[in-house]
Amino acid sequence: EDQVTQSPEALRLQEGESSSLNCSYTVSGLRGLFWYRQDPGKGPEFLFTLYSAGEEKEKERLKATLTKKESFLHITAPKPEDSATYLCAVHTAGNQFYFGTGTSLTVIP
Amino acid sequence: EPEVTQTPSHQVTQMGQEVILRCVPISNHLYFYWYRQILGQKVEFLVSFYNNEISEKSEIFDDQFSVERPDGSNFTLKIRSTKLEDSAMYFCASGDRGLPTNEKLFFGSGTQLSVL
Repeated sequence: EDQVTQSPEALRLQEGESSSLNCSYTVSGLRGLFWYRQDPGKGPEFLFTLYSAGEEKEKERLKATLTKKESFLHITAPKPEDSATYLCAVHTAGNQFYFGTGTSLTVIP
Repeated sequence: EPEVTQTPSHQVTQMGQEVILRCVPISNHLYFYWYRQILGQKVEFLVSFYNNEISEKSEIFDDQFSVERPDGSNFTLKIRSTKLEDSAMYFCASGDRGLPTNEKLFFGSGTQLSVL
């Protein structure tokens, strides 16, 4: 059964304290893995797409990496404005699209 | 920055009633999607739409649901006979390429549907 699991569910960081969010997946063929940011009451905002193991993408303080079983979203020296829920989603070979439950990140000044 | 617009932002309806959720995708986009998020749960894919027809749909998207692009700008989701469990935030999204090569999938702010 296709599955996407994100950990931790919630993460509190001090401003400047780097950390990583995890997205583990078990799917019948991965066509793409997506990271989104979601602010309260808003729709998901696209961050990255990764297609194959070993791929990495960066944007400002965020860096996404992909292996055959999981993806990490690394946050370097986070700021309070990085506080949001970060969602991982996969598109499978069976043309299904699954989101994880998200990691709620709070960055404390 | 272009954006996807959804109306209404909140919709309250009685069980068994029909509702239509409206979306205006970004003007040059060709691929359209509906997702929903039940409170405290995952965002769930419902359906994708391209070239005036459904290209993919999930198990959730049963005969109760339909989508339409009635004109050149709107994209609608109709729920024929609403049930209590249809209460959720419904998100519309659009992109200029299909999954998975769609690097920039834009989401609207959602319509919160409450079925009483």
